[in-house]
Amino acid sequence: EAQVTQNPRYLITVTGKKLTVTCSQNMNHEYMSWYRQDPGLGLRQIYYSMNVEVTDKGDVPEGYKVSRKEKRNFPLILESPSPNQTSLYFCASSLFGRYSYEQYFGPGTRLTVT
Amino acid sequence: EDKVVQSPLSLVVHEGDTVTLNCSYEVTNFRSLLWYKQEKKAPTFLFMLTSSGIEKKSGRLSSILDKKELFSILNITATQTGDSAVYLCAVEYRDDKIIFGKGTRLHILP
Repeated sequence: EAQVTQNPRYLITVTGKKLTVTCSQNMNHEYMSWYRQDPGLGLRQIYYSMNVEVTDKGDVPEGYKVSRKEKRNFPLILESPSPNQTSLYFCASSLFGRYSYEQYFGPGTRLTVT
Repeated sequence: EDKVVQSPLSLVVHEGDTVTLNCSYEVTNFRSLLWYKQEKKAPTFLFMLTSSGIEKKSGRLSSILDKKELFSILNITATQTGDSAVYLCAVEYRDDKIIFGKGTRLHILP
């Protein structure tokens, strides 16, 4: 089954404790992206990647890191999480980064930073 | 500043009504406009529009893009309670970035 998986689905952590949210897709998509969704602000792009070893900042990259060492994986790293990073995070992937075509979204990771 | 604005922010109608959701945009180097439906979980893809004036249809849903006036509409005819959701508009633009509007929350009353 074609899908984007994220882990963990729920995470409660404390300020400053490094964490990684994994994202994996099995569709051989070139383009992958991370978003955060907050009430009243909608979905905002954090980072995206056109292909292996190619990553770029979205609209809200501060406090986040990503890597794309393999085509299928695109982990999101929070080196020192803060409460303002409490949010619902989505990973997405699609074919052909030039014209996103259909983005497939993962199930979401709800992160709470206390 | 690049932006996508959706209207209305919320809408309540009765089953069977027809609704029109709006999405306007101001971005550099527009590439495509996408519509998604979100029901308490991950967004699911509805349409991608790249050319003006060409209507995309899927059942009771249809969408069209006007690149001159920089907007798109999503129409839903004969609405059903299962259409209740947040509808998201997104634009892909320069450097392969994607920007989303804040969404329209649609509630269909039985």
